[in-house]
Parts: sequence; structure tokens; C-alpha cells
Amino acid sequence: ETGVTQSPTHLIKTRGQQVTLRCSSQSGHNTVSWYQQALGQGPQFIFQYYREEENGRGNFPPRFSGLQFPNYSSELNVNALELDDSALYLCASSLGTTKNIQYFGAGTRLSVL
Amino acid sequence: DQQVKQNSPSLSVQEGRISILNCDYTNSMFDYFLWYKKYPAEGPTFLISISSIKDKNEDGRFTVFLNKSAKHLSLHIVPSQPGDSAVYFCAAIRRSGGGADGLTFGKGTHLIIQP
Repeated sequence: ETGVTQSPTHLIKTRGQQVTLRCSSQSGHNTVSWYQQALGQGPQFIFQYYREEENGRGNFPPRFSGLQFPNYSSELNVNALELDDSALYLCASSLGTTKNIQYFGAGTRLSVL
Repeated sequence: DQQVKQNSPSLSVQEGRISILNCDYTNSMFDYFLWYKKYPAEGPTFLISISSIKDKNEDGRFTVFLNKSAKHLSLHIVPSQPGDSAVYFCAAIRRSGGGADGLTFGKGTHLIIQP
């Protein structure tokens, strides 16, 4: 059974640029959630995708957007990067929406300079 | 406004003794609680969970206790082992709602097991 994988592991961007982060869900899981973890904080929910549609969203602006593909993999896109976007971005997959345990990938460390 | 609080940033426990990690929450709509463990450079790993209809759940060395009236939960690890040294996150979610709220996490407690 393949776990949740994320790419890239590290990324450096400059303010104003755009970035795309990728996530492959665990085998058999159809739901993907994205979280942002700033230094010294717990992960914060960005949004969730189920059946290729956004199913729920946390308190993040529209410049944070996503996609889910038919194979359940997902992308997180962030436009107009700001310094405060520097964080660890975690992807989690689950079978179903809120009803099941979420399993996390190792994350992508994004630095915005 | 933090809805899930872990007030101890770090905790040091001797190997073989009991580790008790605490978590408080403010949102009474939360009905499912989870503990995750995180090593450096890895993602959070699911440890144990509890539904709000229960007050205790046990899995091997790990037991989670829930006190709904106090809006408090705790994770007990007995006996503590060196491999338990990690950051532990408490998380909560409202499963009964129609939408997907996502997990709400505390800031974490860094557990250090001393030999």
C-alpha cells in the first residue's frame, strides 16, 4: 500500500510569484485535504477536495486554490505569494470526507523571499 | 481565537514512566478527537482517536481520555519509550455536520523521553 506522497520537498520562491504543490493520495483514498503549518504552530486547514470538487474551505483567501484529478491526486496553487506564505504545506488523504482518519504526507517546505 | 489548545510546549519524562499530554478545546460542536505524532522531516502520523460518545479509548501503550464537561482530553503513554520522543498534536473535528470542516489542531507538545 502506497502512502501519501508530496512533491517537491522544498521550494524557494520570491514574493509575487505563483507556486504549484502536488500530492498523491494513499491507495484507495478519494478525499484530499491541504493544511498550512507555520513555524511553531499546528497545521491549519486550507481546503478539502472530494470527487474533484472543493468540499470545504478554511479561512484562506481565494489566491489559494486547488484541483483534484480523476486518480484522486491533487494540486495546491498559490498566486501572488507573500512572505507570510512561507510554511510547511501538508496534504492528507482519507476515504470519504469528515468521517474517517486523515493520513498525512511529509509535506512541502515553501520559503518565500 | 484558538479552538484547540495545548498549553505545554514541551514535556520531559523519564523512560519507563508515564507521559501525560493535555489538550483543551472551546468549540462544543467538536465530536471527534485525534492525536497525531510528528517526527522532524516527516508528516504527522495518526496515533489514536476518540468519539465524543466515549470517555476512554485504549490502544496498546496509548490511552486517550475525554472529559466533555471540562472540554479536556489527555493522552497517556505507558510505559514511555525513547522512540516516543516527538511532537504530539491534538486535533478535533465536527463529524456530524454536512460540510467538510477539516481538522483543527493545537500547537503541539514536544515530548522528550530521557534515558
